[in-house]
Amino acid sequence: GEDVEQSLFLSVREGDSSVINCTYTDSSSTYLYWYKQEPGAGLQLLTYIFSNMDMKQDQRLTVLLNKKDKHLSLRIADTQTGDSAIYFCARGSSASKIIFGSGTRLSIRP
Amino acid sequence: NAGVTQTPKFRVLKTGQSMTLLCAQDMNHEYMYWYRQDPGMGLRLIHYSVGEGTTAKGEVPDGYNVSRLKKQNFLLGLESAAPSQTSVYFCASSLAGDYEQYFGPGTRLTVT
Repeated sequence: GEDVEQSLFLSVREGDSSVINCTYTDSSSTYLYWYKQEPGAGLQLLTYIFSNMDMKQDQRLTVLLNKKDKHLSLRIADTQTGDSAIYFCARGSSASKIIFGSGTRLSIRP
Repeated sequence: NAGVTQTPKFRVLKTGQSMTLLCAQDMNHEYMYWYRQDPGMGLRLIHYSVGEGTTAKGEVPDGYNVSRLKKQNFLLGLESAAPSQTSVYFCASSLAGDYEQYFGPGTRLTVT
C-alpha cells in the first residue's frame, strides 16, 4: 500500500503519550482505520473515523484527521507496556478492499 | 462465534511441494481476503473474493490460487512452493469492501 505511508518505528517512555502519524494520497475513502497487531497475532481493529469527522476520542485513544493535508494520527495517552505492538493505518477503498500502510512498531522504554 | 479461523497454524514445506491453507468465517461476511506479511513490508494482498464463487487478484497473486466454493470458506493454494513464499499468511473477512476487516490468527509458512 504505497499510497498509505507511516514511519516504521516509534519509541516512547512509559507514561508518555505516543503519536503515530500516517499520510495517504487518495481522499475518496469513507472510513480510515487504525489496527493493532500484537506479537504472533492477527490484526485487530483499534478504532476508526469517518472521513467527515476531524477527531474521535475513545478512552486513551485520540484520532485526528486533517483532510486537507491527507494526514491521520493516532495518539495514545499514558502509554503502557501493553501498548507495545505494530500499528497499521488503513483507508477504505472503493475497489472492494482496504489499503494498509506498512505499520509502525511502537516500543515502550521504562 | 469463532470469528475467522485459519488452518494450519504452522507449516514447513520443501521447494516444489504443494499445500492449501484454509480460512473459515462464521460471520456471514461476503468479502474475504488473503494477505502475506513480511518484515518491513506490511500487508500485501494476494487474492480476494467479493462473494461465493468469485475471486480476484490482489497486489501479489503470482504463485498462488484461490477458491471460494462456499461463502464461509476461502482457500489459498500453493501449487509449487518456493522459498520466496516463506511468510506469515493472514486471512480476513468483512461485510463490505471498505468496512472493517476481521483477521484470522495467521499461518506461518516456511519453504526450505
